[in-house]
Amino acid sequence: AQSVTQPDIHITVSEGASLELRCNYSYGATPYLFWYVQSPGQGLQLLLKYFSGDTLVQGIKGFEAEFKRSQSSFNLRKPSVHWSDAAEYFCAVATGNQGGKLIFGQGTELSVKP
Amino acid sequence: ETGVTQTPRHLVMGMTNKKSLKCEQHLGHNAMYWYKQSAKKPLELMFVYNFKEQTENNSVPSRFSPECPNSSHLFLHLHTLQPEDSALYLCASSQETQGVEEQYFGPGTRLTVT
Repeated sequence: AQSVTQPDIHITVSEGASLELRCNYSYGATPYLFWYVQSPGQGLQLLLKYFSGDTLVQGIKGFEAEFKRSQSSFNLRKPSVHWSDAAEYFCAVATGNQGGKLIFGQGTELSVKP
Repeated sequence: ETGVTQTPRHLVMGMTNKKSLKCEQHLGHNAMYWYKQSAKKPLELMFVYNFKEQTENNSVPSRFSPECPNSSHLFLHLHTLQPEDSALYLCASSQETQGVEEQYFGPGTRLTVT
């Protein structure tokens, strides 16, 4: 069965520092990959997605993610974190043969120190 | 109104009450979803509707009853809930084609069962 693992439950970074959130998936073929962000009291907002093609994808708010098939990973990065980036981040995978069904990771909560 | 809206935003109900959650999407999508988000757990897909037909029921207890009268509206009828049903209930929509498309989420209904 497909699964998504986000190894870090909580990460704290200083404002202006770089950020990398880890995501590993389990699936035999090439999956469809997503990163969503959830601010407190809000729903999920799509940051970026990977379906095919260039393995480095750019998203909104200055985020990017790189698909690495050999490592079954889709890590999210940002070169310089802003205080407004404090939120919970979810990685998700879809397999394409189950319609729109997304499998979500447990989430990583990001705190930003001034 | 734009995007996906959910009402009410907060709901407190006793175990013997009957209530309903409402979701409306203004994106012209043809698929809608209910998710349950509990603390420290991955999002759990509950129900999927494609073209108003239920295509997924993820082993959800019968005390949760979905209704999709048209492609823009989705309801979740609740009755005789348990305290462990307290959670954030998220609605999402997408435009399903041959493959996978991103889902757009509403802000959620925070449900507390007393």
